[in-house]
Amino acid sequence: QIQLVQSGPELKKPGESLKISCKASGYTFTDYAMQWVKQAPGKGLQYMGWINTQTGKPTYADDFKERFVFSLETSASTAYLQINNLKNEDTATYFCASGPPFAYWGQGTLVTVSS
Amino acid sequence: ETVMTQSPTSMSTSIGERVTLNCKASQSVGINVDWYQQTPGQSPKLLIYGASNRHTGVPDRFTGSGFGRDFTLTISNMEAEDLAVYYCLQYGSIPPTFGGGTKLELK
Repeated sequence: QIQLVQSGPELKKPGESLKISCKASGYTFTDYAMQWVKQAPGKGLQYMGWINTQTGKPTYADDFKERFVFSLETSASTAYLQINNLKNEDTATYFCASGPPFAYWGQGTLVTVSS
Repeated sequence: ETVMTQSPTSMSTSIGERVTLNCKASQSVGINVDWYQQTPGQSPKLLIYGASNRHTGVPDRFTGSGFGRDFTLTISNMEAEDLAVYYCLQYGSIPPTFGGGTKLELK
């Protein structure tokens, strides 16, 4: 069956960087784009952008153009979200989702940024 | 960007009740709206895509409708497992945007 499995929770300090992975299985990785969604604690869903899994071209929503990087390791059917120069407001759960439509979601990766 | 406004933000319901959730777009998005259900601690689940198409395995008590700016998700016969937060998502304009969500609670 189709699965997206994300890497585990992260605890980081402000200014540090991290890289979250999202490994796809059960389908041809390049058949669907990979989307990224942020959910701050107790808040709603915020669309971050997507990466074309055929070309590797990322597209970012306005709020995520500065410190965020989407990338792929196609041979491993894996997408990555890198966040540089972490800030307290990056504390959130980050989801990957294949689509559109976003039929399949990862389990989410909790990122906590605290000094 | 297109702003999606969901109403109400929360709703108290009873088991067996008919529930209507609304989503209004700040500009026309055609039929390019999905609905997602999220329970606490879980990832969102796709319920409806393309405004009115039920995703595989979604019970037929969930119905989506709408076009342009106004969209509706109806749960015809509320069940306990439907207590969740529901989000609409538009992808008719770039970037895609989510509504703020509607939380369904028990009366």
